[in-house]
Amino acid sequence: DQQVKQNSPSLSVQEGRISILNCDYTNSMFDYFLWYKKYPAEGPTFLISISSIKDKNEDGRFTVFLNKSAKHLSLHIVPSQPGDSAVYFCACLQASKLTFGTGTRLQVTL
Amino acid sequence: EAQVTQNPRYLITVTGKKLTVTCSQNMNHEYMSWYRQDPGLGLRQIYYSMNVEVTDKGDVPEGYKVSRKEKRNFPLILESPSPNQTSLYFCASSLPPGLAGGLWQFFGPGTRLTVL
Repeated sequence: DQQVKQNSPSLSVQEGRISILNCDYTNSMFDYFLWYKKYPAEGPTFLISISSIKDKNEDGRFTVFLNKSAKHLSLHIVPSQPGDSAVYFCACLQASKLTFGTGTRLQVTL
Repeated sequence: EAQVTQNPRYLITVTGKKLTVTCSQNMNHEYMSWYRQDPGLGLRQIYYSMNVEVTDKGDVPEGYKVSRKEKRNFPLILESPSPNQTSLYFCASSLPPGLAGGLWQFFGPGTRLTVL
């Protein structure tokens, strides 16, 4: 049973616009929530995280929102740039275990 | 340069032939982990290790073994590979999860394994 889901396999956004990537989870015991970015032929790289006691965390163009009651996580990228084109994974941490979502491929077009 | 290295990067093998994928990190991290990435399934954790001689199962441990005899190394062993283990494998390391820095898992470049 998939505890962490990213229901949109792909997303296309124009350069300069906002990209919104979504993630849903079922386990209310997760402590931290993270976003990773992955380019082809490379390992994932950490992007941003949020603790379960917060509802928003911002780092430059990237903002992560957490809605615990809805068990929903989202990543906003503003403004989107062509270099943001990659696969984005959300991940949820409980104790020492990290559970990843299925990924969303973001394409930022000119 | 801080890095996680994996070898080999690509491997084609046959069913039943034992193989080992090595993973090494130079950041003195306590925590190391193995994941496999499959289309439509994302990354799934195979095994993780909190420190030397301490390992535990992730979500998909069947058919895999690991060992952690040294802090820097965390090899993944497939005793009798089968075609359903054809996948892209990633090793990662970090400080202990739960510490602020522990969220910054560093991933290796991946090993693409094909089992015929």
